[in-house]
This record gives sequence, structure tokens and C-alpha cells, in this order.
Amino acid sequence: GESVGLHLPTLSVQEGDNSIINCAYSNSASDYFIWYKQESGKGPQFIIDIRSNMDKRQGQRVTVLLNKTVKHLSLQIAATQPGDSAVYFCAERKGGGSQGNLIFGKGTKLSVKP
Amino acid sequence: DTAVSQTPKYLVTQMGNDKSIKCEQNLGHDTMYWYKQDSKKFLKIMFSYNNKELIINETVPNRFSPKSPDKAHLNLHINSLELGDSAVYFCASRDRTYEQYFGPGTRLTVT
Repeated sequence: GESVGLHLPTLSVQEGDNSIINCAYSNSASDYFIWYKQESGKGPQFIIDIRSNMDKRQGQRVTVLLNKTVKHLSLQIAATQPGDSAVYFCAERKGGGSQGNLIFGKGTKLSVKP
Repeated sequence: DTAVSQTPKYLVTQMGNDKSIKCEQNLGHDTMYWYKQDSKKFLKIMFSYNNKELIINETVPNRFSPKSPDKAHLNLHINSLELGDSAVYFCASRDRTYEQYFGPGTRLTVT
């Protein structure tokens, strides 16, 4: 079975607020994590990634936090905008001989209210 | 300048038919994938190809046969389609990093 899951399947936020999307993973050997955004009718798009030797990484309006102690990953979106409405997926890469293959979590739907 | 493209975008067909979905990437990547996304949005890897060679076949029925004529193409052929095959199929590619670039998806509906 999959080893990546999400605490919240849906999240509704007000425009301008900050959003936090959470993800739990179970494979302690995973060495790379990535967040994807999937808008309706489109393929997943890369948002931000983080390696297991880091605990925080910032992008433009987005921050990913990694807590390896509790195997938890989160995506923070600052000043959420209507264009952020989408399904967000976390994914992990297992270490060792798994090459570059990713295991995806179930996804969280983010709805931004104007 | 589409990086990963798929055709067709929509495919409606009857049970028992055979159909193909094509994928092309112009990124020069060595590795390509096929994923299946079900109605609950769960993304599951089906196949992984590296330089035209099959690397992974994740418990997919043998009715599904990927074909990679060259490094830039990975097509998916499905025989004897079943109702449960209805889903959105995504092609993806990656280079030496782990970031995967996804195509726009093909929505397959089997009636």
C-alpha cells in the first residue's frame, strides 16, 4: 500500500489568508519529497521540493517544512489567492535502489473563497 | 512549446475495444512514466521506462502494454478495455533530478 497520506482531504480558506496543507509519510528511508499542484483538467505541476537533509525550504509564497522525527511534511502558502485553488499532492522518493520513482499521497483539495 | 504532450485528451470507447494513448516529451529526458489517476484523484504509477527499457511494471494487468519507440515517446496500448479502466492517464518524464514533468492527461471513459 501507499506510504504517503494526508491529514485533511479538503481545505477551504479565505483569500489573503495563509494555507497549510499537511502530509504524513511512513517510510523513514525516503530521501526526497515534492509537492505538486493539480488544477482542474490539467496534469500535476511542480511547486517545491525538499531533500531529507533539510527541514525547511522556501519558494515564492510557498514554504515546505519537513519533520523527520514524526514523518510529517507540510506546504504553507502565504496570502492564498483564488489561483491557488487546486488539488495538492505530496510525494516521496524512497531511498536506495528505487531510482527516481515517486509515491504520491491522496491529495488535498484547496478551495479559496474570494 | 509543450514539454510533455499526450493524445488524445479524451477517449470514449466501449468495453472490449483496444485503444492507444500516445505520449511525447521534448525535454530530452531519459525516463518516462505512465500513471493512472482514479476518480478520487489518487495517482498510481503504472510503468517506468529508462532509455526505451522497461524499469517498472507495477502490478498492471497484461492488457496494458507500453511501447517506447524512442527516448522521446512512450505510448500506452490497452487491449480488451474494461469498465474499471476508466480513469485519467498521465504521462510524465524526468531527467537526472527527481522532479517529474507531467502531461495534460487523457481521460478514458469505457462504456
